[in-house]
Amino acid sequence: AQSVTQLDSQVPVFEEAPVELRCNYSSSVSVYLFWYVQYPNQGLQLLLKYLSGSTLVKGINGFEAEFNKSQTSFHLRKPSVHISDTAEYFCAASTGTASKLTFGTGTRLQVTL
Amino acid sequence: GAVVSQHPSWVICKSGTSVKIECRSLDFQATTMFWYRQFPKQSLMLMATSNEGSKATYEQGVEKDKFLINHASLTLSTLTVTSAHPEDSSFYICSASPGTVYGYTFGSGTRLTVV
Repeated sequence: AQSVTQLDSQVPVFEEAPVELRCNYSSSVSVYLFWYVQYPNQGLQLLLKYLSGSTLVKGINGFEAEFNKSQTSFHLRKPSVHISDTAEYFCAASTGTASKLTFGTGTRLQVTL
Repeated sequence: GAVVSQHPSWVICKSGTSVKIECRSLDFQATTMFWYRQFPKQSLMLMATSNEGSKATYEQGVEKDKFLINHASLTLSTLTVTSAHPEDSSFYICSASPGTVYGYTFGSGTRLTVV
């Protein structure tokens, strides 16, 4: 079985500041890792994914994440956030795309002026 | 590419009636689709895995007679909430994957309100 932990339920940050959203996973087998963003009353949009290969993954909207196997982490980062980045962010893991996604509890990113 | 369309985006129904939600993969075939439920300010909870041409696999605690899932074709899965009650009010989201390299694509969700 696998699990995903997002340590921060809310992260407040000022515009143009850097941000890191933390995600840790546990799994007895190799996993695929994902970060999604959700705006109010909308579905989930994929920011980036790690399937294999380079541990630094670049996604859309200037986000990136680093897969760290030894620390079982997949933290999401952005060097300079914008007001429009205010949303809910979910980390998720699966053992294959025919398998279900296991979600973390989500992190609310609140960007203010 | 890899678009999943979900319909309707919102629906209000009376208690005791049934509501059908459709999930379509527009530009790929999906032998497997997933249905999630999301409560306000909470994460997504997997309800069931929909398998084309066979019965859905429900997660523990999900009433299969209440949440009927049909996956009759490679591009369409439906979730029917039968005899809906106010406690079924929620945000329902479907998902599918065109293949490993693409990851999962989500529909835009359906806001169900039972009055």
